[in-house]
Amino acid sequence: GIQVEQSPPDLILQEGANSTLRCNFSDSVNNLQWFHQNPWGQLINLFYIPSGTKQNGRLSATTVATERYSLLYISSSQTTDSGVYFCAVTGGYQKVTFGIGTKLQVIP
Amino acid sequence: DSGVTQTPKHLITATGQRVTLRCSPRSGDLSVYWYQQSLDQGLQFLIQYYNGEERAKGNILERFSAQQFPDLHSELNLSSLELGDSALYFCASSARAGETGELFFGEGSRLTVL
Repeated sequence: GIQVEQSPPDLILQEGANSTLRCNFSDSVNNLQWFHQNPWGQLINLFYIPSGTKQNGRLSATTVATERYSLLYISSSQTTDSGVYFCAVTGGYQKVTFGIGTKLQVIP
Repeated sequence: DSGVTQTPKHLITATGQRVTLRCSPRSGDLSVYWYQQSLDQGLQFLIQYYNGEERAKGNILERFSAQQFPDLHSELNLSSLELGDSALYFCASSARAGETGELFFGEGSRLTVL
């Protein structure tokens, strides 16, 4: 099956800092999503981005499908951005595979 | 609110017991997915249904089973529970089966096996 690698595994930021999270995948994919799991365990949709670039407020994402990676940018980070960020890809057989996530802690 | 409803939110039971987790997908979504997330772990895909039929199977144990009913809600049955089954169980739904559309997750059912 498709392998999904996320980096870095852990990240500590000062409030107001910017960061880039990366998702590499081992094969061509049909879809790619970014999720934020907040400290209460809820999984929140951030981006549905099989290719191209999207922006939503302080967050943006870029997927380069031909090179098999996606980037999630967080600008002017806030403490509410803390949690785990997951990348999930869909390959053959409609199986959705998640990366192990990037654990982000934003400190005041 | 994602529109995906999961019940119960919390469940505590003993080893050897059987539990049923329920999921109602977003209105109009035909696909339902089940995921398991153990403590501080990623999400492990268990199984997918589309319009009542099994579409994809992941690392689902034989002690676990699922089904999707004609009204499209789904149930995940966990039997002969072990301590290691303690986890957060998520249900997700999406609209299409030909290709997987955007997934929307419920808030999860937290299972504790004592």
